[in-house]
Amino acid sequence: EPEVTQTPSHQVTQMGQEVILRCVPISNHLYFYWYRQILGQKVEFLVSFYNNEISEKSEIFDDQFSVERPDGSNFTLKIRSTKLEDSAMYFCASKERQITPQHFGDGTRLSIL
Amino acid sequence: QKEVEQNSGPLSVPEGAIASLNCTYSDRGSQSFFWYRQYSGKSPELIMSIYSNGDKEDGRFTAQLNKASQYVSLLIRDSQPSDSATYLCAVNMPPRSGGYNKLIFGAGTRLAVHP
Repeated sequence: EPEVTQTPSHQVTQMGQEVILRCVPISNHLYFYWYRQILGQKVEFLVSFYNNEISEKSEIFDDQFSVERPDGSNFTLKIRSTKLEDSAMYFCASKERQITPQHFGDGTRLSIL
Repeated sequence: QKEVEQNSGPLSVPEGAIASLNCTYSDRGSQSFFWYRQYSGKSPELIMSIYSNGDKEDGRFTAQLNKASQYVSLLIRDSQPSDSATYLCAVNMPPRSGGYNKLIFGAGTRLAVHP
């Protein structure tokens, strides 16, 4: 069964450094998302992406965050200058059509020191 | 008012029993509803999706939706210890300013199935 893949599984970074989290969505999916989950808290929406542009972003997704689909398969989340509070699990998700379910990758655990 | 609410649990049931998990949501415009299972340290795994009022069954799982009451539930029959996990209710919220239906998650209900 096709799946969403994310790399790396764990990223440790010094505060203030840039990080790029990578995702390969399911190949025939058209809608892409990033979510995050701080330890012990709920899964929170960050950003949605469709037709090569951001379609919605949350208040969390400030100027330090950006997303890109550099080619036909990858979908990346960049955090420009990381803060301690960015430590969380980051999940990429994709879906085929507007009402179909979103499928999640295994996540990247981001630890900011 | 929270957008998607769930009882955090833990909900403890004996093996073989029916586990009943509940969720309410605030936005009447929501069109689609999902249950995800999340094991500790893992990603959400889709269990059920439901789009119209009534019941939807898939194996040991039954999802129930009542849009008038803004209520979604998940029943797990013949519960097994391997069902022990956190169950996340997720609602496709209609976009407020463009966008394509982000998921809003509840905090999850922790289910413990004991032998």
